[in-house]
Amino acid sequence: NAGVTQTPKFQVLKTGQSMTLQCAQDMNHEYMSWYRQDPGMGLRLIHYSVGAGITDQGEVPNGYNVSRSTTEDFPLRLLSAAPSQTSVYFCASSYGGGMVEAFFGQGTRLTVV
Amino acid sequence: DAKTTQPNSMESNEEEPVHLPCNHSTISGTDYIHWYRQLPSQGPEYVIHGLTSNVNNRMASLAIAEDRKSSTLILHRATLRDAAVYYCILRAPSRGFGNEKLTFGTGTRLTIIP
Repeated sequence: NAGVTQTPKFQVLKTGQSMTLQCAQDMNHEYMSWYRQDPGMGLRLIHYSVGAGITDQGEVPNGYNVSRSTTEDFPLRLLSAAPSQTSVYFCASSYGGGMVEAFFGQGTRLTVV
Repeated sequence: DAKTTQPNSMESNEEEPVHLPCNHSTISGTDYIHWYRQLPSQGPEYVIHGLTSNVNNRMASLAIAEDRKSSTLILHRATLRDAAVYYCILRAPSRGFGNEKLTFGTGTRLTIIP
């Protein structure tokens, strides 16, 4: 069982470029979410999804888009990268609502220059 | 959302028990108490959760005060692999769309001394 897989692990972008962070889970979990983690701060929720076709905003959604066309995949899109989006991004999934026992990916370290 | 307060850092000797405290004086009657940990350069990892009664699993024990205003995560015999940041998180019960999230604070950085 691979669990939650994030790609890429590292990425450097120039300001204004766009990219998609990939997240896939093979546990048939309904709930998936994206967090960012900045130095000295806890994880902050960007977007989440409670099932295919359903997404909603978290605490810090500005500058990010998501979609959920399948149960397995939950990509995070940066439309026009900014230096303030330099962070480590984590994708998480859980079986049901409420994040009871969430599984996290290994993270994507993104640097925007 | 109810907040939690944890010490910024703690140290413990290897092979000794570790008690990680968490205060949550504004917890509501239906909030669950979750603990996650984050090893260096990894994503958070679920440790344990509970509501009112003490809980045990293969990783740790969770002791919840009778008034639920505080809790303690207990690692029975710390190893070097337990060095991590430990997060105490309150989670309201899921009421459908819009309530599914974990709010992470800055946690306690646990150092294990060989």
